[in-house]
Amino acid sequence: GQNIDQPTEMTATEGAIVQINCTYQTSGFNGLFWYQQHAGEAPTFLSYNVLDGLEEKGRFSSFLSRSKGYSYLLLKELQMKDSASYLCAVTLDNYGQNFVFGPGTRLSVLP
Amino acid sequence: DGGITQSPKYLFRKEGQNVTLSCEQNLNHDAMYWYRQDPGQGLRLIYYSQIVNDFQKGDIAEGYSVSREKKESFPLTVTSAQKNPTAFYLCASSTPISTGTGGLLNEQFFGPGTRLTVL
Repeated sequence: GQNIDQPTEMTATEGAIVQINCTYQTSGFNGLFWYQQHAGEAPTFLSYNVLDGLEEKGRFSSFLSRSKGYSYLLLKELQMKDSASYLCAVTLDNYGQNFVFGPGTRLSVLP
Repeated sequence: DGGITQSPKYLFRKEGQNVTLSCEQNLNHDAMYWYRQDPGQGLRLIYYSQIVNDFQKGDIAEGYSVSREKKESFPLTVTSAQKNPTAFYLCASSTPISTGTGGLLNEQFFGPGTRLTVL
């Protein structure tokens, strides 16, 4: 079976830095995505990693280690609007059309 | 304006009734997906379709059916055989993006979702 783990909830303070971890054990791997989802809304794309290393996109960075089955999303200069769930997803096959999602991490940013 | 639309946003149905959820996209994407999300859980794949007239079962296809007669449309029918249909349903479409390493990856775009409640 496919297994993706994330912490259920995290809390951080406005202006701080937070790291959300994702570990995966899947039958295949073509890439890893991070999405942000506000309550009752659709997920929106944040970043993806295909190769090992760090990808930076403004206040958001994502890291991947394929040998360890591990990724993290780093959020800097936290803002209240960053309060949301963050979903980690792995694409399994060569063309990357079979997505497996983790349970999501609910992040609360406090003033 | 390009995007994915789902209708209705909220849907109520009585037990034993079939109901069809609409999903339309004008992004010219080949691949489309249906997911189910339950409170506090991640997305679970119901069905996906890579091209018109073709679709594959995901992890939780039992009690659901789909069709893909047009590129733009991928409706999902929740049948009376689905034991626990109350959930948030998300439709997505995807387009391949170059990874910069010679490979392709599909970036998914999601619709606003339909919240189905069975009474």
